[in-house]
Amino acid sequence: DGGITQSPKYLFRKEGQNVTLSCEQNLNHDAMYWYRQDPGQGLRLIYYSQIVNDFQKGDIAEGYSVSREKKESFPLTVTSAQKNPTAFYLCASSTQGRTEAFFGQGTRLTVV
Amino acid sequence: GESVGLHLPTLSVQEGDNSIINCAYSNSASDYFIWYKQESGKGPQFIIDIRSNMDKRQGQRVTVLLNKTVKHLSLQIAATQPGDSAVYFCAVLYGQNFVFGPGTRLSVLP
Repeated sequence: DGGITQSPKYLFRKEGQNVTLSCEQNLNHDAMYWYRQDPGQGLRLIYYSQIVNDFQKGDIAEGYSVSREKKESFPLTVTSAQKNPTAFYLCASSTQGRTEAFFGQGTRLTVV
Repeated sequence: GESVGLHLPTLSVQEGDNSIINCAYSNSASDYFIWYKQESGKGPQFIIDIRSNMDKRQGQRVTVLLNKTVKHLSLQIAATQPGDSAVYFCAVLYGQNFVFGPGTRLSVLP
């Protein structure tokens, strides 16, 4: 089945550690996105990529980094510079000319 | 910049009644307007979209209305069912980027 997969579903991180969230899609979509979701604030764009080896900062990129070495993969690293990383992270993909973005099931990151 | 907002963070309706969820946007230079449904612990799922040159579009039990004059978007759900309980997001597509509103939590009362 085609889809977008995020892993892990739950992640715990100690303060000061970097952590990487995985996002893989087999939909052959060019564009991929990372969003952060906090209660009552909707989805805020962290980074997006419209093509392999290229990505752009979103509204809240500080403290995060990404790579897009393959079309299928768009991992997100939450660095120690992110002051408030506890949140629900959503990865999505879409294709040019389509309005539907496909979302993964999300990763809930908790800093302990 | 672009912003998208909702009128009500929560909405409760009786099962079988119609639901109306509203959304406002700031930037007129948008191509598409989209509604997503997010169930607890899951990623959002596409419901319906409407192109900027339309004012109404109907799907199965859902209707989206677009009023470009006042920059307002609404989602109407007919005969609301318990399975409709979720958070509903409107989103505006600018180029290839989606800007999401904060969401309305719909609760269906028995």
